[in-house]
Amino acid sequence: KQEVTQIPAALSVPEGENLVLNCSFTDSAIYNLQWFRQDPGKGLTSLLLIQSSQREQTSGRLNASLDKSSGRSTLYIAASQPGDSATYLCAASPDAGNMLTFGGGTRLMVKP
Amino acid sequence: DAGITQSPRHKVTETGTPVTLRCHQTENHRYMYWYRQDPGHGLRLIHYSYGVKDTDKGEVSDGYSVSRSKTEDFLLTLESATSSQTSVYFCAIRDRAGGNEQYFGPGTRLTVT
Repeated sequence: KQEVTQIPAALSVPEGENLVLNCSFTDSAIYNLQWFRQDPGKGLTSLLLIQSSQREQTSGRLNASLDKSSGRSTLYIAASQPGDSATYLCAASPDAGNMLTFGGGTRLMVKP
Repeated sequence: DAGITQSPRHKVTETGTPVTLRCHQTENHRYMYWYRQDPGHGLRLIHYSYGVKDTDKGEVSDGYSVSRSKTEDFLLTLESATSSQTSVYFCAIRDRAGGNEQYFGPGTRLTVT
């Protein structure tokens, strides 16, 4: 059974800092890996999707990498801003149609 | 915005009563999903659908049933609500054209007293 872990559970950084959020998974036979952002009391916003054949994806100040052999993905946030404060979730999918297995999330606070 | 709405957004009900949550999508996606989110457990899949009248169980399906009679609507029913089903419920769709990315609705907060 796939297990997805995110460490740390919480992170506080000053504004402007570059930071890395970590996601590890136990079964390397994934179809894709998706990163989400969740604001308090809100739904999930998809940030980036990495297919199993890809090494990384970029969107603005966000860059996500995938290393299937080591069972790890990272989300890099450049020049963090207070508006980046949220919980970040990663989720792995075993195939095209089925369930996402989610990590527990990293709660990020960016202080002005 | 993947055009996903959920209703109701908030509901308080009593133990033993039936409850139905609705997910509606406007973009004709084939795959739809129901997840629940709980502190300490994260998000877990309840049921999913891969077409009209085609559904399957997820990780935590006990106590839940689903129906999909139209492409745009996916219903989640708690036949007899229990306090352990107090949770936030999210509906999602899979965008096949977008590399199978999943998009989530705004959620329904359900409290069973």
